[in-house]
Amino acid sequence: KNQVEQSPQSLIILEGKNCTLQCNYTVSPFSNLRWYKQDTGRGPVSLTIMTFSENTKSNGRYTATLDADTKQSSLHITASQLSDSASYICVVSAKAGNQFYFGTGTSLTVIP
Amino acid sequence: GAVVSQHPSRVICKSGTSVKIECRSLDFQATTMFWYRQFPKKSLMLMATSNEGSKATYEQGVEKDKFLINHASLTLSTLTVTSAHPEDSSFYICSAGGTDRFSYEQYFGPGTRLTVT
Repeated sequence: KNQVEQSPQSLIILEGKNCTLQCNYTVSPFSNLRWYKQDTGRGPVSLTIMTFSENTKSNGRYTATLDADTKQSSLHITASQLSDSASYICVVSAKAGNQFYFGTGTSLTVIP
Repeated sequence: GAVVSQHPSRVICKSGTSVKIECRSLDFQATTMFWYRQFPKKSLMLMATSNEGSKATYEQGVEKDKFLINHASLTLSTLTVTSAHPEDSSFYICSAGGTDRFSYEQYFGPGTRLTVT
């Protein structure tokens, strides 16, 4: 069964600290994995996309990693800011077509 | 990435009335659009997939007669919530699908907050 699991479910960190969010998936055949940031009351915005051959990709203070062998991905946020408070969603797409599998998200709260 | 808009961003309606939500892909032609529903602090739940010019494919448990989807053109899809009830109050998000370089991607709209009183 194609599934995407994220951990932790929620996280509270101090401003300026780093954090890492996890995404494990069982989707097969794998096409790509995206991390989205969703602010409250807004639609998701893409942060990074990882294909099978990519191990690491950065977008500013966001760095995503992918281990296609263990089917795990992480999103590392460096020097967190208050504006990083949001829900982070991992979405894995399958090669079978336009099929997308959503994780339940990690709610991140950055406090001053 | 591509830009997807939704209108309205917020709508309040009375129970029993119908509400239409528009989803537009502004700078590309989307052969497929997806409609999601999201409850507070929950992840997105796919309601239906619509392909331009054909009937939408609804996910299990989603009433097609209640949530009417029309995808009449490559840039516009509409979701009509018919005979809305308070339990239909939710955040509705659309996304437009297209091929971006080597992979099939979807681009999300900003969402529509529906409140049924």
